[in-house]
Amino acid sequence: GAGVSQSPSNKVTEKGKDVELRCDPISGHTALYWYRQSLGQGLEFLIYFQGNSAPDKSGLPSDRFSAERTGGSVSTLTIQRTQQEDSAVYLCASSFTSGGKGNEQFFGPGTRLTVL
Amino acid sequence: AQTVTQSQPEMSVQEAETVTLSCTYDTSESNYYLFWYKQPPSRQMILVIRQEAYKQQNATENRFSVNFQKAAKSFSLKISDSQLGDTAMYFCAFMKTSGTYKYIFGTGTRLKVLA
Repeated sequence: GAGVSQSPSNKVTEKGKDVELRCDPISGHTALYWYRQSLGQGLEFLIYFQGNSAPDKSGLPSDRFSAERTGGSVSTLTIQRTQQEDSAVYLCASSFTSGGKGNEQFFGPGTRLTVL
Repeated sequence: AQTVTQSQPEMSVQEAETVTLSCTYDTSESNYYLFWYKQPPSRQMILVIRQEAYKQQNATENRFSVNFQKAAKSFSLKISDSQLGDTAMYFCAFMKTSGTYKYIFGTGTRLKVLA
């Protein structure tokens, strides 16, 4: 079956513009995660969705970042008024019901965001 | 809070040789999971191996094995018979078994396998 897909693969934008990054998780996976991979900060957690529960937004770096997950499937990460420090690779991952068996997270190929 | 430390930013190994990547972590949890992920230049994160903290037996997956020392909070990855395709970034990750099941990642080790 298909893995986690993300679009676009690469995005170049100008400082101050808004961007939307999309993630299509593996069908049947109820948990969805966003991570950011940057040179200075390594891999850091941003936000977590589990089923219909309220998302854990504790990793979002500022209120310019938001995410939603529609119908328990596709997720969109939105960055408003982008700044140069937002330049990074944004990775999405999904898994079966979280916890318990230490469910493996399956990652997408990421979106490389460059803010000029 | 949990932290994961990978103290080797870069390593190299000759093809067919064995290499060990280090990972230490800090947590007050008694049960958790540890993972090693591989990230080749394609950016695709691939699970290499997983270890459950309450299992004393070290996990193995073909040429990959771990040395899990719970008391020392150490979780090293051994790659035997290294292959050119093993060239990648390797990340150690920690996951609790309660709350948000996010990964806490180390900073990664860049491994280069030399022909």
